[in-house]
Formats: sequence, structure tokens, C-alpha cells
Amino acid sequence: GNSVTQMEGPVTLSEEAFLTINCTYTATGYPSLFWYVQYPGEGLQLLLKATKADDKGSNKGFEATYRKETTSFHLEKGSVQVSDSAVYFCALSERRGNFNKFYFGSGTKLNVKP
Amino acid sequence: KAGVTQTPRYLIKTRGQQVTLSCSPISGHRSVSWYQQTPGQGLQFLFEYFSETQRNKGNFPGRFSGRQFSNSRSEMNVSTLELGDSALYLCASSLEGRSASEQYFGPGTRLTVT
Repeated sequence: GNSVTQMEGPVTLSEEAFLTINCTYTATGYPSLFWYVQYPGEGLQLLLKATKADDKGSNKGFEATYRKETTSFHLEKGSVQVSDSAVYFCALSERRGNFNKFYFGSGTKLNVKP
Repeated sequence: KAGVTQTPRYLIKTRGQQVTLSCSPISGHRSVSWYQQTPGQGLQFLFEYFSETQRNKGNFPGRFSGRQFSNSRSEMNVSTLELGDSALYLCASSLEGRSASEQYFGPGTRLTVT
């Protein structure tokens, strides 16, 4: 069945460091891929998305490229800030008949130190 | 457009009681999903409603139930509360379409069972 696997955290970085959070997926069809971010005490917010192979999603300095050949959607940011400290979830959505089915990874906590 | 709203934001209940949580989706969204989030288990899918019908269900006991109204607002109910039901309950809505679309999350209801 479909699933999403992301690297375990926590990931601790210094401010201005380069960030990579790995995400790989298994899917039977052609899913859309997402990254969500959850700040303490809040719900999940959509950070970026890609709907087909080789698409690059980007937002707020974060980027992720839909790689069908490696079934990956790694999240990257060139220079993290303390305010980026949060939990990041990789997710996929796949069309099943008349509805979309969603799968979420387990989340990766990012701590950015000043 | 207003985002997904959930009420109440915080709730404290006693073991054995029941609780009802409410979710109002983004205007025009007809699909509403519920998730339970705990530190140990991550994000777990409870169920999804579309046009007042439960379309998808996760692996939770029958104590967890839900419904959706004609205006797409949804409620979930947990009966005979257990200590392990303490969690953040998240509601998400999505716009149905031909392609796999993203989910938009509410801020969650923090339930504490004592």
C-alpha cells in the first residue's frame, strides 16, 4: 500500500545552516506530494506542494522537487532561521475513484539555535 | 476566505465521560477529515466525511464516531473516554476535484482526559 517515510528527528541546526529533511514515498499511482509545517500549539499548515514528476514546490525559502525515479520529495532550505523551528510533515495524496486519499509521514522536528 | 475552525480549542474531561468536537471547513470544501495526534503515535487518521457520508475510516474503536451536516460542518464524538484519548484532534478540509488536492487544517482541539 501507499506510505510516506521521512527522516527521524529531532534535527538540530545553527541559524543560517543548510537544511535537508528526507522524504520517500511508495504509491501505486501518480500522487501529489506536500510538505506541511506545524508550529507549537497549532495545526498543520501547507508549506509547499508538487503535483507531478519533476515539479518543484517552493515557499518561504523552502524547496522540494518531486523525483519519481527515486520516489523522493526532500525538503531543503539554504539558510534556516530560529523561526523555522517546528515539526515538518511530508504527505502524499492520491486519487482513488471519486475521492482523494491522504498519507502522512511521522513528522520531523527541527530545532534551530541562534 | 476564513480557514478551518475548530471548537472548542481546549477541553478537559474525566474518564468515562463523552465529548463532542466541532469543525467548520473552508467555504466550498465538502470533504472533512479527522486526525488524532499524540507524541507517541504521530498523526493518525480517524475518518473522512463527504456529503454527509462517511467515506473512509481509520483503525479506531467504535467509541469514536462522527457525522457531517448538510452545510459540511462536522462533529466527532468520543464516548466512554479513556486516559489514552488525550490528544490533539485535528480537522482538515479539502476541495474535491479531479486531481489530488491538498488538505487544509484547523488549529485543533486539545483534549485532556483525567
